[in-house]
Amino acid sequence: DSGVTQTPKHLITATGQRVTLRCSPRSGDLSVYWYQQSLDQGLQFLIQYYNGEERAKGNILERFSAQQFPDLHSELNLSSLELGDSALYFCASRKGGGQGAADTQYFGPGTRLTVL
Amino acid sequence: DAKTTQPTSMDCAEGRAANLPCNHSTISGNEYVYWYRQIHSQGPQYIIHGLKNNETNEMASLIITEDRKSSTLILPHATLRDTAVYYCIVRTGANNLFFGTGTRLTVIP
Repeated sequence: DSGVTQTPKHLITATGQRVTLRCSPRSGDLSVYWYQQSLDQGLQFLIQYYNGEERAKGNILERFSAQQFPDLHSELNLSSLELGDSALYFCASRKGGGQGAADTQYFGPGTRLTVL
Repeated sequence: DAKTTQPTSMDCAEGRAANLPCNHSTISGNEYVYWYRQIHSQGPQYIIHGLKNNETNEMASLIITEDRKSSTLILPHATLRDTAVYYCIVRTGANNLFFGTGTRLTVIP
């Protein structure tokens, strides 16, 4: 158990819909990262938040957005869903937010999104 | 972040040591070597990391060559539960982790 929690575990929805995925970081961690893992691609970094502010962006679509709340939990919002958005979505947390390479990211169990 | 090269797949007999190699010939002085594994579709699990010296924890050992251009992750006594995809990642303080294709380790009874 990494200490990172994600809800829901599974989500099934239809094209065009909007969903929200939730992540609670480990106690004391200020950074939350979101990653997407689809069948034909590996784990891809989407976005990072540190202490409530966006810190880095990866391959995140404009239809996707995220935020981090004062209690440090984070939500990833996916809208106008397409079939290709079906994937595993992982969040990870880390103590710091900057250039600390020895600062480990710990991953949650993921949310499996299926778009029908 | 430096790129890494890993074998696509490996087999290991249960109870034997599993040695997973990783090449990172373009690594620079301040880049750490991290290892994660992913069992089926679970979240990636942190295993170990190191900079220059060899490291050991309760899960594994990490051997880094003197020139730091390659490393080996050692699982001393592989069990069936160690069957997973193992990722070698070289990173600076970059804000995200770049996961390549990893090595699919199969532990055989």
